[in-house]
Amino acid sequence: GAGVSQSPSNKVTEKGKDVELRCDPISGHTALYWYRQSLGQGLEFLIYFQGNSAPDKSGLPSDRFSAERTGGSVSTLTIQRTQQEDSAVYLCASSLRGGPTYEQYFGPGTRLTVT
Amino acid sequence: GENVEQHPSTLSVQEGDSAVIKCTYSDSASNYFPWYKQELGKGPQLIIDIRSNVGEKKDQRIAVTLNKTAKHFSLHITETQPEDSAVYFCAASMADRGSTLGRLYFGRGTQLTVWP
Repeated sequence: GAGVSQSPSNKVTEKGKDVELRCDPISGHTALYWYRQSLGQGLEFLIYFQGNSAPDKSGLPSDRFSAERTGGSVSTLTIQRTQQEDSAVYLCASSLRGGPTYEQYFGPGTRLTVT
Repeated sequence: GENVEQHPSTLSVQEGDSAVIKCTYSDSASNYFPWYKQELGKGPQLIIDIRSNVGEKKDQRIAVTLNKTAKHFSLHITETQPEDSAVYFCAASMADRGSTLGRLYFGRGTQLTVWP
């Protein structure tokens, strides 16, 4: 079946511009995660959505970052006034249920480059 | 929160040799430890996991061991093959069955290269 998809696959933007990154989770998965992967920095947790519960935003690095999940499915990560340090691969993952013991299925990521 | 350290950051082995990647965690309450493999250009994929009520788990050529007292766990790959080349991430979490709370804390990853 279809896996997690993300778009765009690559995004180059100028410093100061806003960007939107999209994630389409696996159908029926109630949990959705966003991570940031910088070179040599592993997987940095950003935000977690579980069903209709309030999202866990504890990983968002600044108020320039926000995310929403509409209708319990598609999610959009928005970065306002992008900075060069925002350059990274942004990964989305979904799981059947929330909680860490459910396998997370990752998308291929969006590579963001801020010039 | 939990802090997961992973070593080494890079590892090169000859095909057929074994590879070992080690992780330590800080929160003694952590009880769930998955390993993910990330191939070039793809997202990470779960390859094996272990819970704190067991000390070792095997799946064909891969195995994971856990030492709760020392708070460390390791991934062992035997008879390595070139297709094992990837970045491997360990993770830790305190996970209650059926609970939606909690998240994974990942290590920084190990780039494994298997030379033919």
